[in-house]
Amino acid sequence: DGGITQSPKYLFRKEGQNVTLSCEQNLNHDAMYWYRQDPGQGLRLIYYSQIVNDFQKGDIAEGYSVSREKKESFPLTVTSAQKNPTAFYLCASSTAAYNEQFFGPGTRLTVL
Amino acid sequence: GESVGLHLPTLSVQEGDNSIINCAYSNSASDYFIWYKQESGKGPQFIIDIRSNMDKRQGQRVTVLLNKTVKHLSLQIAATQPGDSAVYFCAENDYKLSFGAGTTVTVRA
Repeated sequence: DGGITQSPKYLFRKEGQNVTLSCEQNLNHDAMYWYRQDPGQGLRLIYYSQIVNDFQKGDIAEGYSVSREKKESFPLTVTSAQKNPTAFYLCASSTAAYNEQFFGPGTRLTVL
Repeated sequence: GESVGLHLPTLSVQEGDNSIINCAYSNSASDYFIWYKQESGKGPQFIIDIRSNMDKRQGQRVTVLLNKTVKHLSLQIAATQPGDSAVYFCAENDYKLSFGAGTTVTVRA
């Protein structure tokens, strides 16, 4: 099956710890994205990558970091600098920028 | 700030009736829009898209209308079913997706 996978589905961490969320796609898409969704709100862009070894900040990049060493993988690290990390995190990919984005199932992160 | 937004946060519709979800956008240069459906605890699913060179596009039970003059688009769902209960987002697709807060559709049996 082709698609986007995110793991884990639920993640709990203590305040002050860094945590890395996984995103993998086997769609051969060049572009990948990370969004954050808070209750009752739309999606806000954290980081995006249009090609391997390149990525750009989105609207709310502070306290987050990413890497794009492989085409199929775009992990997101939520650092201790992120003031309010508890949220639903969504990864997406597209064949290229400006094309339809396909979403993964999401990871719900709770910081205790 | 947001470049797209939805008119109503909630919509309750009787099963079998048609649903209309509205969305306004502010960037007159926007040329590609997508409607997504998001069920609770899941990622958004693509429903239908439309480019600015069209004013109407139809899919299976869904129709998207685009009015560039007033910068408005709508999603029409025909014969709404219980499985249509979800949050619906319109999104403007540039290099990123700009979303509004969404409209929660509840289907009454």
